[in-house]
Amino acid sequence: GAGVSQTPSNKVTEKGKYVELRCDPISGHTALYWYRQSLGQGPEFLIYFQGTGAADDSGLPNDRFFAVRPEGSVSTLKIQRTERGDSAVYLCASSTELAGGRNEQFFGPGTRLTVL
Amino acid sequence: AQSVTQLGSHVSVSEGALVLLRCNYSSSVPPYLFWYVQYPNQGLQLLLKYTTGATLVKGINGFEAEFKKSETSFHLTKPSAHMSDAAEYFCAVGRGSTLGRLYFGRGTQLTVWP
Repeated sequence: GAGVSQTPSNKVTEKGKYVELRCDPISGHTALYWYRQSLGQGPEFLIYFQGTGAADDSGLPNDRFFAVRPEGSVSTLKIQRTERGDSAVYLCASSTELAGGRNEQFFGPGTRLTVL
Repeated sequence: AQSVTQLGSHVSVSEGALVLLRCNYSSSVPPYLFWYVQYPNQGLQLLLKYTTGATLVKGINGFEAEFKKSETSFHLTKPSAHMSDAAEYFCAVGRGSTLGRLYFGRGTQLTVWP
């Protein structure tokens, strides 16, 4: 079966531009997570969705970052007025119901964002 | 609050030698603990997890980890390293008030020499 997919795999943009990163979770997974992985670091939590709603967006670094999941499946992470410091690999993961976080999160291959 | 410390950003072993990757955590409640592996240009793959029950957990590819509450540790081991084990390994902790989200360590890059 298909795993978590993310598009694009690579995105190069200029400082100040707007970007959208897409995540297709595993079919039937109700929970969806976004993480950011900077060079030499472990993944850092950004936001997660249970269904269509953002259950926890406390990891979003500032109001330039926004994510949606309008139909409870595909999610889009949106970054406005990109800065060089936003350069990182953005990871998406999905899992079955939260169950207090005990369930395995399945990760996509990530989108490598480079802001010039 | 929860946090994860992985001791040693790089570990090198010879093929056939013991692999030991260290992970210590802090958590205000009994944690859920995970080890993930990341191969180049691939997503993170779960090796094993501890939620409740037996403290010695066996995972894929011959890896295992033991939850030691008194030491707040969850070290990853494998008796005999294989060349294909070369990858980056991440320890992660979850649960508590932060339902769903995981806190990751900085990762340990494992190199296996022939």
